[in-house]
Amino acid sequence: SQQGEEDPQALSIQEGENATMNCSYKTSINNLQWYRQNSGRGLVHLILIRSNEREKHSGRLRVTLDTSKKSSSLLITASRAADTASYFCASRAGGTSYGKLTFGQGTILTVHP
Amino acid sequence: GAVVSQHPSWVICKSGTSVKIECRSLDFQATTMFWYRQFPKQSLMLMATSNEGSKATYEQGVEKDKFLINHASLTLSTLTVTSAHPEDSSFYICSARVHLPGDQPQHFGDGTRLSIL
Repeated sequence: SQQGEEDPQALSIQEGENATMNCSYKTSINNLQWYRQNSGRGLVHLILIRSNEREKHSGRLRVTLDTSKKSSSLLITASRAADTASYFCASRAGGTSYGKLTFGQGTILTVHP
Repeated sequence: GAVVSQHPSWVICKSGTSVKIECRSLDFQATTMFWYRQFPKQSLMLMATSNEGSKATYEQGVEKDKFLINHASLTLSTLTVTSAHPEDSSFYICSARVHLPGDQPQHFGDGTRLSIL
């Protein structure tokens, strides 16, 4: 079973609004990553945050990590219709940089023009 | 950036046929590749971890004889679905990780949609 739980499962917003997705995990992690998947395509890596980091930015993306709560959030600011996709968090178990990723259930984001 | 090429992107075949899916790292060497299966509107389920020059490590519940994995070179891993049946129909995705120290993201192929009639 997947370790990560994400909420909401689906999010529908208007262009220009911000989108926030949350992810929780169960075991200690080395890092947490966010990926995007367009319909019928593979995953694209968005951002990686290490276990000793609390916040990270990349363009319109902002990721936070709270290891005490075992949770992370992804914020997309000023959303665009092209941001419509599924977003997954993925964690790599603590103690290794080479271990397998465990994916969350994903959030389906729809941005209406 | 690192590119992973997966082929074919779409396969339709009759029940009982064996299907081979290729996963290539185009501009980097990947000592480890991962094979995932994804059902509609669901997350990725790791099937196996493929290590160059050694046997693949399969996740619990994944049949080794059904899903044959070969990782003969640092840039190529293949997944063969043997004697495929309709229940094997799914979206299969491979990914590879650059084998460098420190945290590295995984790079994904575009997936193969397999439909067994």
